[in-house]
Amino acid sequence: NAGVTQTPKFQVLKTGQSMTLQCAQDMNHEYMSWYRQDPGMGLRLIHYSVGAGITDQGEVPNGYNVSRSTTEDFPLRLLSAAPSQTSVYFCASSPGQGYTFGSGTRLTVV
Amino acid sequence: AQSVTQLGSHVSVSEGALVLLRCNYSSSVPPYLFWYVQYPNQGLQLLLKYTSAATLVKGINGFEAEFKKSETSFHLTKPSAHMSDAAEYFCAVDSNYQLIWGAGTKLIIKP
Repeated sequence: NAGVTQTPKFQVLKTGQSMTLQCAQDMNHEYMSWYRQDPGMGLRLIHYSVGAGITDQGEVPNGYNVSRSTTEDFPLRLLSAAPSQTSVYFCASSPGQGYTFGSGTRLTVV
Repeated sequence: AQSVTQLGSHVSVSEGALVLLRCNYSSSVPPYLFWYVQYPNQGLQLLLKYTSAATLVKGINGFEAEFKKSETSFHLTKPSAHMSDAAEYFCAVDSNYQLIWGAGTKLIIKP
């Protein structure tokens, strides 16, 4: 039972590049979400999903896309990376009460 | 919109002293409330959660939190601080499967 798996753990991108942050869970949780963590700001919700085929925007969705084709996977796509997207990204899943987090992806955009 | 306020970006206590980390939320309806801990360069670990079953919630590592509806507070306490408690602590409110987070409090333990 791996829980929530995020890849990669570290990534450096050049401004304008695109990439996908992967998130997979093996707990059959309906709810999945992406957060970014910036110093002094706590975590902020980017996008979330309440089930396969259903996604919605969170507090800071601009510059990011998501899809949920299966219950297990919830990838986060950066369309055209900007330095303001330098952050630590966490994926989480939940059965409806309580959340399990991945170990995070540290992204630097130069 | 929901919001969470953690008073004090840094809290410093001596080893063996009481730890008190403050969290206030803005909601008229008792929500689900959480405390998470993050050690340096690590992920988020759930300390405890309030789900309306009991107002005093016990968590891991000797921490506990008391839900006070009249004060819209959910402060985290530990009777005796240990050096290993040095970390950043986050309070969060669950609002329709979206976690709303406080800015975090870094707990510093003085020897």
